[in-house]
Amino acid sequence: AQSVAQPEDQVNVAEGNPLTVKCTYSVSGNPYLFWYVQYPNRGLQFLLKYITGDNLVKGSYGFEAEFNKSQTSFHLKKPSALVSDSALYFCAVRDSHQYGQNFVFGPGTRLSVLP
Amino acid sequence: SAVISQKPSRDICQRGTSLTIQCQVDSQVTMMFWYRQQPGQSLTLIATANQGSEATYESGFVIDKFPISRPNLTFSTLTVSNMSPEDSSIYLCSVEWTEGVTEAFFGQGTRLTVV
Repeated sequence: AQSVAQPEDQVNVAEGNPLTVKCTYSVSGNPYLFWYVQYPNRGLQFLLKYITGDNLVKGSYGFEAEFNKSQTSFHLKKPSALVSDSALYFCAVRDSHQYGQNFVFGPGTRLSVLP
Repeated sequence: SAVISQKPSRDICQRGTSLTIQCQVDSQVTMMFWYRQQPGQSLTLIATANQGSEATYESGFVIDKFPISRPNLTFSTLTVSNMSPEDSSIYLCSVEWTEGVTEAFFGQGTRLTVV
């Protein structure tokens, strides 16, 4: 069975500092990995995905994530945080061997960027 | 991507009543889904909305409680029936254009409060 862990409920970072939001996963097949962001009173917005290829993927709003197969991790990063990055971030995984909406979402990490 | 519109964006309902949530996409999509996000929780898939046939429900969700329609490739509805305070959640519509290897796109969600 698939699972996603986001070990930190809350991440606080000062504006201008680098940020990392952690994600580890478990799937039986090859993983397809995603990051989504949810702003207050909004739906989920897609940030980036890893399907295959380069382990470092770049996404929207200056975010990037690094796929590490040996550590089964897909941490979200940004070199310089903005106050406007404050939101709820979800990591999600789907198994490449399954069809249909078989996303499994992590519990979410609330990012607070302090001015 | 495309524009995914959900209506209503929020509602406060009396227990025992029903609410129908609409999801409209501005282009034809292969697959449409409904998720529930309970307060402070991650997303849980309710069902896959199948065009012209009965929806496919995930474990723990039943048609009598969450009837779903999908009359065409751009529109779906989710009804929350005989509501109780435990149904207070954000309900999200999600779409995919091609089955399998894509990210999902989400509507802005419907915030439901049952009193």
